[in-house]
Amino acid sequence: GNSVTQMEGPVTLSEEAFLTINCTYTATGYPSLFWYVQYPGEGLQLLLKATKADDKGSNKGFEATYRKETTSFHLEKGSVQVSDSAVYFCALLRSGNTGKLIFGQGTTLQVKP
Amino acid sequence: EAGVAQSPRYKIIEKRQSVAFWCNPISGHATLYWYQQILGQGPKLLIQFQNNGVVDDSQLPKDRFSAERLKGVDSTLKIQPAKLEDSAVYLCASSGTGSGYTFGSGTRLTVV
Repeated sequence: GNSVTQMEGPVTLSEEAFLTINCTYTATGYPSLFWYVQYPGEGLQLLLKATKADDKGSNKGFEATYRKETTSFHLEKGSVQVSDSAVYFCALLRSGNTGKLIFGQGTTLQVKP
Repeated sequence: EAGVAQSPRYKIIEKRQSVAFWCNPISGHATLYWYQQILGQGPKLLIQFQNNGVVDDSQLPKDRFSAERLKGVDSTLKIQPAKLEDSAVYLCASSGTGSGYTFGSGTRLTVV
């Protein structure tokens, strides 16, 4: 079946450190891949997405590349800020814009000044 | 454009009581979803509507959970009777042709 696996957290970094959050997936066909962010007390916000192999999604300094050969979609940011502290979810959608989003378990990021 | 509206924001009930959540999707979005997010886990789809018809309710515990989407717009999710393990955030989302998912802020349910 379809599934998403993320690295376990929490991840604690100092401000301006480099961030990587690993995400791998199992899916039939050619899913779309997403990173969502959930700030404390808020709902899920789409951070970035990629819809086909080798696509790179980017937003707010974050980026992730859809790697079909390794079935991965790792999230990276070159220099994190305290305001990036949140829970990050990797997710896949099997096709199109509708249908079930399948989420990983989430990775908590805490950035210290 | 207005986002996905959900209410209430928080709810505390005793086990065996009933509770209902309301969602108003983005105008024109034909597809509406309810997700359950248990603390420390990713959201899990409970039910998906296309207009006012059910597309997927395979993960909905039908002995206690029910949902409807009136006239293909607003939706309500009901739990009766509630159990302790139903404590979670209930997220509503909508999507439309050419536009991806938009999530609401969620309803945090605590069952004591």
